[in-house]
Amino acid sequence: DGGITQSPKYLFRKEGQNVTLSCEQNLNHDAMYWYRQDPGQGLRLIYYSQIVNDFQKGDIAEGYSVSREKKESFPLTVTSAQKNPTAFYLCASSMRQGNTEAFFGQGTRLTVV
Amino acid sequence: QKEVEQNSGPLSVPEGAIASLNCTYSDRGSQSFFWYRQYSGKSPELIMFIYSNGDKEDGRFTAQLNKASQYVSLLIRDSQPSDSATYLCAVKEPGANNLFFGTGTRLTVIP
Repeated sequence: DGGITQSPKYLFRKEGQNVTLSCEQNLNHDAMYWYRQDPGQGLRLIYYSQIVNDFQKGDIAEGYSVSREKKESFPLTVTSAQKNPTAFYLCASSMRQGNTEAFFGQGTRLTVV
Repeated sequence: QKEVEQNSGPLSVPEGAIASLNCTYSDRGSQSFFWYRQYSGKSPELIMFIYSNGDKEDGRFTAQLNKASQYVSLLIRDSQPSDSATYLCAVKEPGANNLFFGTGTRLTVIP
């Protein structure tokens, strides 16, 4: 089945650790995105990528890093510099051209312990 | 800074009533508008999209767009308890590929 797969579903991180969230899609979409959602809040854009080997900062990129070595994959690393990383992280993808919607993965819930 | 604004609610309607959800956006050049539904703890799923001024209907859902007023709305007719969720408005500017989301409106349909 075509879709977007995020893993893991739940992730626990100790303070000071870096963790990497996985996002893989087989929809042949060019564009991929990472959003953060805090309880009762909307989605805030962390990073997005429109083509392989290129990505742009979103509104809240500090403390995060990404890579786009393959069209299918867009992993997000939450670094120790991110002071409040506990949140629900959503990966999405879309066609690069046209008025097309974004499709979302199931999300990763990250908790700092 | 792009802005997409929604009333956070909560909005409560009785079962069978019409629920009206509203969204305003700041970039007059915006051309694509999307409504997503998000159940608690789940990822957003697309309900409708609209590109042209006027109304677009799909089953019990109607999206309305007024570009002059920079306003987009979602009407849900014959509301059901299963419609209880947070509804997110999203806007895409021309030439951009990232969606700007509002904070969402939480809807509760009371049986």
